[in-house]
Amino acid sequence: EVQLVESGGGLVQSGGSLRLSCAASGFTFSNYWMHWVRQAPGKGLVWVSRINSDGSNPNYADSVKGRFTISRDNAKNTLYLQMNSLRAEDTAVYYCARDRISIIATDAFDIWGQGTMVTVSS
Amino acid sequence: EIVMTQSPATLSVSPGETATLSCRASQSVSSNLAWYQQKPGQAPRLLIYGASTRATGIPARFSGSGSGTEFTLTISSLQSEDFAIYYCQHYNNWPPAFGQGTKVEIK
Repeated sequence: EVQLVESGGGLVQSGGSLRLSCAASGFTFSNYWMHWVRQAPGKGLVWVSRINSDGSNPNYADSVKGRFTISRDNAKNTLYLQMNSLRAEDTAVYYCARDRISIIATDAFDIWGQGTMVTVSS
Repeated sequence: EIVMTQSPATLSVSPGETATLSCRASQSVSSNLAWYQQKPGQAPRLLIYGASTRATGIPARFSGSGSGTEFTLTISSLQSEDFAIYYCQHYNNWPPAFGQGTKVEIK
């Protein structure tokens, strides 16, 4: 079964750090671009970051650029999001998502994890 | 950056009826448009990509149309499991962006 499972969320103070993980199974992880998408409580979906299949080309939304770092370990089939200098507005459920087509980036997402909640207290 | 606008915000529909959801892009996104369904407490699920192609396992009662700046998601003969929030998303250029969502509720 194709699956993504996030972990690492929790409660952190403003200015703090947190590292999210996303464990992939059931597919060839190293072939796919991967993404992080977040959703603030009661709000819509917002794309956060993406990384290419070998981890050499990360991209970020302006709202997180310079504070968040996306990375991956293809040997461990795991995607990461290191979040530093956290702000109250970063409070959200964070989803990892797989790009729809292998090798290239379409920026459409066909497999999603269940999400992990990050709460930043001010 | 391209802004996606969905309408209406809420759509009240009776089971068995047809729901028509709209999505507008602030500039052309060609056919690089996806639709997702999200139920409370769940992750989004891909329904449609390429504006009109159903994703794997999606029932035929879900159909997408449009190109350029105007798109429609039609859900025919609404089932109880279809009441949810629906999001459109463009992926024509970077960064990708979602609409604010349309909630389909039971009338």
